[in-house]
Amino acid sequence: KQEVTQIPAALSVPEGENLVLNCSFTDSAIYNLQWFRQDPGKGLTSLLLIQSSQREQTSGRLNASLDKSSGRSTLYIAASQPGDSATYLCAVIASGSRLTFGEGTQLTVNP
Amino acid sequence: EPEVTQTPSHQVTQMGQEVILRCVPISNHLYFYWYRQILGQKVEFLVSFYNNEISEKSEIFDDQFSVERPDGSNFTLKIRSTKLEDSAMYFCASSPTSGGIETQYFGPGTRLLVL
Repeated sequence: KQEVTQIPAALSVPEGENLVLNCSFTDSAIYNLQWFRQDPGKGLTSLLLIQSSQREQTSGRLNASLDKSSGRSTLYIAASQPGDSATYLCAVIASGSRLTFGEGTQLTVNP
Repeated sequence: EPEVTQTPSHQVTQMGQEVILRCVPISNHLYFYWYRQILGQKVEFLVSFYNNEISEKSEIFDDQFSVERPDGSNFTLKIRSTKLEDSAMYFCASSPTSGGIETQYFGPGTRLLVL
């Protein structure tokens, strides 16, 4: 059974800092990996999708990498801003169409 | 930009009552999903739906749950006899093709509270 783990559970940084969020998954036979953002009491916003054949994806200040063989992904946020404060979720699809989510990393960027 | 919409945003019901949660997926999408998130826990997959039938379901999705696409735009989740442990945020999602290839786009959720 696929398990997804995210470290750290919470992170507080000063504005402007670069940071890395980590995600690991137990079954490396995945189709893709997605990073989402969740604001309190709100839905999930897709940030980046990495196909299993890809190594990384970039969108603005966000860069996500994937090392399928070791079962790891990282989300790099450059020059963090208070508006980046949210919970960041990692999710993988290993078979079919079900996303398996991690617990998330709660990020606080302090002005 | 097209969005997935869900109604109601909040619903309070008594244990044992039936509830129907509604979703309008993005119009040209073909695959539809329901997920739930119990407070403080991970987001969990419930069911996926394609071509008017269930394509995959989780162990959570038992006989108390059903899904339907009653017309060309709505996608519903019915819980026949709610239990206290059904209290959660329920998210609908859709994707243009199989979610194994494409991004799944999530709605804002329906917060269900069972008393």
